[in-house]
Amino acid sequence: DTGVSQDPRHKITKRGQNVTFRCDPISEHNRLYWYRQTLGQGPEFLTYFQNEAQLEKSRLLSDRFSAERPKGSFSTLEIQRTEQGDSAMYLCASSLVRGRGTDTQYFGPGTRLTVL
Amino acid sequence: AQSVTQPDIHITVSEGASLELRCNYSYGATPYLFWYVQSPGQGLQLLLKYFSGDTLVQGIKGFEAEFKRSQSSFNLRKPSVHWSDAAEYFCAVGAYRDDKIIFGKGTRLHILP
Repeated sequence: DTGVSQDPRHKITKRGQNVTFRCDPISEHNRLYWYRQTLGQGPEFLTYFQNEAQLEKSRLLSDRFSAERPKGSFSTLEIQRTEQGDSAMYLCASSLVRGRGTDTQYFGPGTRLTVL
Repeated sequence: AQSVTQPDIHITVSEGASLELRCNYSYGATPYLFWYVQSPGQGLQLLLKYFSGDTLVQGIKGFEAEFKRSQSSFNLRKPSVHWSDAAEYFCAVGAYRDDKIIFGKGTRLHILP
């Protein structure tokens, strides 16, 4: 399977703990996006990378959130000092874009985070 | 600012009936438009997209959508639904000069046997 993969699929943690999620994009894709989806809502943009450069961060991404894509391949999203409001599905997507603009994004299955 | 409105939170149709899901967008430029489907516990799968050209777009699983610039709409249609079409459907908008896409809140489709 050469689609976008995410790990873990589910994560249950206690409030105040740190969590880290991983996303492996489609291999030739240079763009990688992170979204958050809460119940009854569509995906909300958090941040994106073009190769290893993080080009934009949403105001939804508080200081407790950090994302990296060190070699322009896989990416990690870390949440420090988790809060109950962080409970959501975290989706990763990738695309192949030359220059600026957008194109079709292909999504992974998501990581479901539950903060107790 | 760009936005996407899906007016119907839930829609119920009988198996074999036709389907239309509504999507209206607000965007200052020529939009790129997408429909995605999400089954329970799954990620989003692309059904179809419109970038330019023919305003009637064919997608996977027998879905089609029509871009109507004058109405700022991109409604999704299917002539005959199957029980496996029960899922949540998301309309999204982007543009050539933007680097991300904006999603609507989704429409949950229920199928009656």
